[in-house]
Amino acid sequence: NAGVTQTPKFRVLKTGQSMTLLCAQDMNHEYMYWYRQDPGMGLRLIHYSVGEGTTAKGEVPDGYNVSRLKKQNFLLGLESAAPSQTSVYFCASSYGGGYSYEQYFGPGTRLTVT
Amino acid sequence: KQEVTQIPAALSVPEGENLVLNCSFTDSAIYNLQWFRQDPGKGLTSLLLIQSSQREQTSGRLNASLDKSSGRSTLYIAASQPGDSATYLCAVLNQAGTALIFGKGTTLSVSS
Repeated sequence: NAGVTQTPKFRVLKTGQSMTLLCAQDMNHEYMYWYRQDPGMGLRLIHYSVGEGTTAKGEVPDGYNVSRLKKQNFLLGLESAAPSQTSVYFCASSYGGGYSYEQYFGPGTRLTVT
Repeated sequence: KQEVTQIPAALSVPEGENLVLNCSFTDSAIYNLQWFRQDPGKGLTSLLLIQSSQREQTSGRLNASLDKSSGRSTLYIAASQPGDSATYLCAVLNQAGTALIFGKGTTLSVSS
């Protein structure tokens, strides 16, 4: 049982390049989330999904797109990377509903945009 | 807009001390509150989750309390150890269950 995994662990992009971050969970969770963590800002929600085929915007969605084609996967895309998107990205998942909103986090992806 | 504040931002204590970390939030309409631990360069590990209807939760040497009406939570760590050194994050979940709002954390250093 791997929990929440993220690919890749590290990445360096040049301004204007695109990339996709992959999050996978093997806990049969309905809800999945993408956060970014920046020094002095804490963790902030980018996008989330409450089920396969659904996505919604969080606090800081600009410059990112997401897709949830399969229940176990949640993809975060950067179409044209900017230096302001240099951050550590965390994916999380939760069962959803009632008591089971506890969120479980992946190990993170450290992204640098030059 | 919900805001979560953690005080102090950093704390250094000798091994064996009991300590309290504080978390406050501005909007009492929360679903639950979660405490996390983050080691440098690592992900977040969930420590305790308190539902909005609960007053406290305990796990080993950790005890978390919640006073929703005053917008406060505390994390009590008993008999601190060097292995407890990490950043502790408090987060509140909105009532729809769709967004965790995080504080900026308290970085704890326990010296032997």
